[in-house]
Amino acid sequence: KQEVTQIPAALSVPEGENLVLNCSFTDSAIYNLQWFRQDPGKGLTSLLLIQSSQREQTSGRLNASLDKSSGRSTLYIAASQPGDSATYLCASESTDKLIFGTGTRLQVFP
Amino acid sequence: EAQVTQNPRYLITVTGKKLTVTCSQNMNHEYMSWYRQDPGLGLRQIYYSMNVEVTDKGDVPEGYKVSRKEKRNFPLILESPSPNQTSLYFCASSLILGELFFGEGSRLTVL
Repeated sequence: KQEVTQIPAALSVPEGENLVLNCSFTDSAIYNLQWFRQDPGKGLTSLLLIQSSQREQTSGRLNASLDKSSGRSTLYIAASQPGDSATYLCASESTDKLIFGTGTRLQVFP
Repeated sequence: EAQVTQNPRYLITVTGKKLTVTCSQNMNHEYMSWYRQDPGLGLRQIYYSMNVEVTDKGDVPEGYKVSRKEKRNFPLILESPSPNQTSLYFCASSLILGELFFGEGSRLTVL
């Protein structure tokens, strides 16, 4: 059964830093991997979707990479801002099921 | 505006009183799904549907029912709610293997 792990569970950084969030999964037979953002008390917002045939996706200051062979994905946030403070979740999709990690709670302070 | 709409957003009920949480999407998505989110356990899938009249169990289906009579709607039914179903519930939809869109969530408390 697929297991998705995110490290670290929480991260606090000063504004302006570049940072990397990690996501690992045990079963490499995935269709895609998605990164989401969740603000407190809110729903999840999709940030990036990487298909299994792709290595990375970029959107603005965000870049997500996928290495299926090692079971890893990273979310790179450039020049972090206080508005980036949220919980970031990754999820792998395989055989109709989307399995979520427990998230990394990010705080960016001024 | 493309969106997934859940109702109610907040609900307090008592054990055994049947309730339905509605979910509607306006993006003509084939795939719809329900999740519950609990502290320390993350998001867990309850049921999902690949298309009209096709539903399947997720990881935690016990105590829940769903139906998919129309493409846009995917209600979650709790026939006899219990306190362990107190949680934050999310509905989501997507094209098959596409980007997943989430509703704002429904916070349910069962006393």
